[in-house]
Amino acid sequence: KAGVTQTPRYLIKTRGQQVTLSCSPISGHRSVSWYQQTPGQGLQFLFEYFSETQRNKGNFPGRFSGRQFSNSRSEMNVSTLELGDSALYLCASSQGTGIGETQYFGPGTRLLVL
Amino acid sequence: EDQVTQSPEALRLQEGESSSLNCSYTVSGLRGLFWYRQDPGKGPEFLFTLYSAGEEKEKERLKATLTKKESFLHITAPKPEDSATYLCAVSGSARQLTFGSGTQLTVLP
Repeated sequence: KAGVTQTPRYLIKTRGQQVTLSCSPISGHRSVSWYQQTPGQGLQFLFEYFSETQRNKGNFPGRFSGRQFSNSRSEMNVSTLELGDSALYLCASSQGTGIGETQYFGPGTRLLVL
Repeated sequence: EDQVTQSPEALRLQEGESSSLNCSYTVSGLRGLFWYRQDPGKGPEFLFTLYSAGEEKEKERLKATLTKKESFLHITAPKPEDSATYLCAVSGSARQLTFGSGTQLTVLP
């Protein structure tokens, strides 16, 4: 079974621009979660989508948003990029039917904001 | 608020030298404790899920155990290919994972 895929793998943007990242979950998985990983803050939860609905949200500003499509693929968008948004953005998928399920991560998208 | 603390931050072992990594947690209603391995520039790779105190799971040279306050990842006779950052995470009443800062393991040949 194919794993979680994320595109693009690398991005370079400048301050003030916006960016869209894409995630395709493991086949059959309906929940997609997004995390930000930085050297200073570690892995932090952004939001989770299930059946095209945001089910949970972390403590990030409104510039960070996401959506999920009917085929469970998900996108996240960051508007008005800041230097501090430089990070590895990770997507994880799970079946979505229960709390405490194992989440499987993709390879991540490395975003550099100049 | 769920909290996870991992120790040590970094660990250097000689090949074959067994050791343990610690993960202490505070969570309201533990739904699962997870161990992941992360190589530089890659996404976390799932290792184990533990659900209740007393539970143990093994995979090759790794063994994870769980108590009501902490989890241990025991590494027996490690090899250089075991070098990576090991991450611990908990799932409480919410569906999100709360991660510790990780233990960076280096196994020297």
